[in-house]
Order: sequence, then structure tokens, then C-alpha cells
Amino acid sequence: QLVLTQSPSVSASLGASVKLTCTLSSGHSNYDIAWHQQQPEKGPRFLMKLNSDGSHHKGDGIPDRFSGSSSGAERYLTISSLQSEDEADYYCQTWGTGIHVVFGGGTKLTVL
Amino acid sequence: EVQLLESGGGMVQPGGSLRLSCAASGFTFSSYAMSWVRQAPGKGLEWVSSISGSGGGTYYADSVKGRFTISRDTSKNTMYLQMSSLRGDDTAVYFCAKDSNSGSYSDCWGQGTLVTVSS
Repeated sequence: QLVLTQSPSVSASLGASVKLTCTLSSGHSNYDIAWHQQQPEKGPRFLMKLNSDGSHHKGDGIPDRFSGSSSGAERYLTISSLQSEDEADYYCQTWGTGIHVVFGGGTKLTVL
Repeated sequence: EVQLLESGGGMVQPGGSLRLSCAASGFTFSSYAMSWVRQAPGKGLEWVSSISGSGGGTYYADSVKGRFTISRDTSKNTMYLQMSSLRGDDTAVYFCAKDSNSGSYSDCWGQGTLVTVSS
């Protein structure tokens, strides 16, 4: 079964960097994913598509502070030079034949 | 600029029906698959349904299969979600999303419309 696992919450200081993790379930380590940001009381915003080889394609207007990387079944979203507006929920998404679309449970990022 | 605007949400009694609409602009509507994703209060995102660009392919989450119907009208650049036999656990904000070129992930989202199922 295709499952994406995310830590429920993470906190980091203003100006620092943070690395969020999305873990693919066993047998699915070669899947690509997408990262989305959801600020409070807003709709989600597409950040990037992240491939299993670590290459990524960002959405329009996404700052260079946001980057992605991959290692085995782990998919990462790194945000550098944290700003207050980065405080949000972050979701990973993947897809597959027969299961179509799956979301991770989301990570709430608090900027201290 | 791609814009997606959902409408049609509201309060409905259990067992009732509701039709959501998603008006799209800023891209060639018929060339892209579209999806509905929902978010229950305080919870994460849950994929609900997707439809291919031509409308010939439709896909549903098990939780809504047989109760919800997705469709699209290219002449109106609008996608729909007909919801019937609504239950309390269908209460959520429903987001419309445009899917990528490959039709695999969502690359643009609307602001959502709230559906509340309650007696």
C-alpha cells in the first residue's frame, strides 16, 4: 500500500534553515512526489515536483529559498533563511496506477 | 494567470445532495486533468476525485465512490462535483485543482468552498 509519512510538526528559528521529510512506504522508493504549502486559512500552493533522483521543478514564483532533495525512500523539502510567512502546513503528494493520488498527513512548521 | 474559483458549498442535511462548481481561467481547460481535494476541519488533505482533460477518464477515492460524480464542461471552462447521499464525514473544505501536464500532481489550487453536512 502506497503511504506517505510526514512528521506532524517541526519548529525552527527565523532566519535559520529547516528540512522537512516525506517518507515513501516500502516498495515505493522510486516514486516522484510533489510538495505543497498551505498557509493558515488559505488554499494549498504548489511548491515543486521532486523526482526520485533529487531533481526538481518548482512552481511559478517559488523563491530560491525552497529546494528539494531525495535519498532512497525519503523526499526532502529544505527551506533556508526562514521567514515568518513560511509558517504553514506542508504536504507531500504522490500518485500511482490504481491508487491515483495520495497525500501525506502534513507537517506543521512553526517559525520561532 | 491561472485562476480556479470554487462555488456551490453550503449546509446540507445528511442524505442530501449538493453540486460544486470550479470555474477555470488562464489556461487551455480541455488540455489538463482536474481534481477535487477536500480537507475536513483541522485535518489534512484528502484526494476525492480526478477527471481527464477529455472527460473520458474519471477516478474516485473509495470513500466517495458511488456517491459522488465528477464532470466537466469545456464550453464553460468549468468542472463539477455532484455529491449525493452526503454524510457527516463529508464535511470539509473542497478544493479544486489543476493537474500537471503529466496529469499526476496538482500544480494550481483554488481557495476552496465549505460543505457542511449536518441536521
